[in-house]
Amino acid sequence: GQQVMQIPQYQHVQEGEDFTTYCNSSTTLSNIQWYKQRPGGHPVFLIQLVKSGEVKKQKRLTFQFGEAKKNSSLHITATQTTDVGTYFCATNSNSGYALNFGKGTSLLVTP
Amino acid sequence: EPEVTQTPSHQVTQMGQEVILRCVPISNHLYFYWYRQILGQKVEFLVSFYNNEISEKSEIFDDQFSVERPDGSNFTLKIRSTKLEDSAMYFCASSAKAVANTGELFFGEGSRLTVL
Repeated sequence: GQQVMQIPQYQHVQEGEDFTTYCNSSTTLSNIQWYKQRPGGHPVFLIQLVKSGEVKKQKRLTFQFGEAKKNSSLHITATQTTDVGTYFCATNSNSGYALNFGKGTSLLVTP
Repeated sequence: EPEVTQTPSHQVTQMGQEVILRCVPISNHLYFYWYRQILGQKVEFLVSFYNNEISEKSEIFDDQFSVERPDGSNFTLKIRSTKLEDSAMYFCASSAKAVANTGELFFGEGSRLTVL
């Protein structure tokens, strides 16, 4: 099935710095979803990207889907302590009935 | 706002015992899922369920696991004979559409299973 790799595994930033996590695949993806999991919490859907080269913004968060639909990124501008958590990208399996998650990038923001 | 609810929030069991984890998906959703997450690790897909049958399952979902939708609201995961390595957080999720059709997953808060 379709699988995604995420880098970096961990990122520690000072509050106010920017943060980017990358999601890569060796195969063309039909779509990509991003989720956030706060420490001790459950994954929460952030956004979905479907189109080649798509860029979507949610306040300080910018999501991109590569032109070849093999990679995606999430960029946070001017991080805040509320951004702490693990960010997962996910894509559907070949059957379309499962969502396969990457290993996630854990973000720690210190004030 | 509608949400997925899971019970119990935490279960401690002895190795070899049977465990049933319960979930109430969002009422108008048609697709149901179980995931597990070992502490600090990735969210691993176990099984998806649609139209009263399993639509996909992973290698993790072996004969020790089963799922059921016994009535119109509950969705259960049964582990027949628990092993130490089954200790994890188990998340139930539901979606209105199939993920291939851009369905987003709504997760419950999870059931933490500890096998001693």
